[in-house]
Amino acid sequence: GQNIDQPTEMTATEGAIVQINCTYQTSGFNGLFWYQQHAGEAPTFLSYNVLDGLEEKGRFSSFLSRSKGYSYLLLKELQMKDSASYLCAVGTIYNQGGKLIFGQGTELSVKP
Amino acid sequence: DGGITQSPKYLFRKEGQNVTLSCEQNLNHDAMYWYRQDPGQGLRLIYYSQIVNDFQKGDIAEGYSVSREKKESFPLTVTSAQKNPTAFYLCASSFDNNYGYTFGSGTRLTVV
Repeated sequence: GQNIDQPTEMTATEGAIVQINCTYQTSGFNGLFWYQQHAGEAPTFLSYNVLDGLEEKGRFSSFLSRSKGYSYLLLKELQMKDSASYLCAVGTIYNQGGKLIFGQGTELSVKP
Repeated sequence: DGGITQSPKYLFRKEGQNVTLSCEQNLNHDAMYWYRQDPGQGLRLIYYSQIVNDFQKGDIAEGYSVSREKKESFPLTVTSAQKNPTAFYLCASSFDNNYGYTFGSGTRLTVV
């Protein structure tokens, strides 16, 4: 079967660093995505990893280990506006519909 | 500018009524998807379509129906058979599995 796990909620302090973990079990793995979703809004794309290693994009970085079925999203220099839900999603190979399988999301609260 | 548009933003339905949620994209994307999001839960796939005139059931298709008569449009009908339709509905499209999704802004459906 297919399964994605991430913590339900996390709290961090403004200016700090936080790491949100995601573990997955899926067949036909074809990349891992991270999305940010503010309450009542649509998810917005943050990052994509298909090969092992770290992808850095400004304050946000994402890491993937395919052999371990593991990814993390690293947020540096946290700002209050980073309070949101962070969704981990795994892509499947195209002939399975090209659809993404989503985790339940991690609700991040940034405190002053 | 290209994008994906969902309407209406808020929708109220009386019990026993069918309602149709609109989703239109001008991104020239082949694939389109409908997800449902409930509080504290991740995105659950309702239906998806890879090409015109073809669509597949997702994980929670019961009580829903779709059509894909045009590449740009993928409307979702919530039928009276859906026992608990109150939720946030998200439409998404993708050009290729490696590019992830572009999401619409969502429709919040409430049964009154």
